[in-house]
Amino acid sequence: KNEVEQSPQNLTAQEGEFITINCSYSVGISALHWLQQHPGGGIVSLFMLSSGKKKHGRLIATINIQEKHSSLHITASHPRDSAVYICAVRSRETSGSRLTFGEGTQLTVNP
Amino acid sequence: DGGITQSPKYLFRKEGQNVTLSCEQNLNHDAMYWYRQDPGQGLRLIYYSQIVNDFQKGDIAEGYSVSREKKESFPLTVTSAQKNPTAFYLCASSLLQQGYGNQPQHFGDGTRLSIL
Repeated sequence: KNEVEQSPQNLTAQEGEFITINCSYSVGISALHWLQQHPGGGIVSLFMLSSGKKKHGRLIATINIQEKHSSLHITASHPRDSAVYICAVRSRETSGSRLTFGEGTQLTVNP
Repeated sequence: DGGITQSPKYLFRKEGQNVTLSCEQNLNHDAMYWYRQDPGQGLRLIYYSQIVNDFQKGDIAEGYSVSREKKESFPLTVTSAQKNPTAFYLCASSLLQQGYGNQPQHFGDGTRLSIL
């Protein structure tokens, strides 16, 4: 079993829909990251959080440390949101600043 | 603008050849990382470096080598010992964390390596 599990693996939505991507992890962490990978391959960091909730524009990320679970929400989705969304955690047990990554969620938003 | 530059974007290798992927950053970051991405799998850490002239193996270091002679540069060599080198390679950098503090990692645009 992977240390970081994402669901769903693939998600197709219509423009304007509210989207939720989930991430569960099995280790104690010091931080959780949400990343966005566009079709060309480049990756952008969206959020880094260790508790509570963060919001940036139409994106909201939440984390529940006790349940070892995080969600990424996209409100009023748009075709330009189509990308792979990746959850990554930094375990308290690992040295340095290493991250462990989920397999990603492929999101497609249709016009 | 500050950022991470990976080159080339596409790279082809013949069987038995070593190839070197370039990664340069002008963010003044201490730590640099190399990841490999295969279809349907999460990013896996190959090597990382937290300081010049020092680096550590990640989870899949076999068949790869790195150097960190300058803070700005962290080249990755894919050697002929790597039996399945076809993949997408991503370089990243970050400030060093303090204690349990964390810093975000900044990623390059990647290099796609294929075997001829």
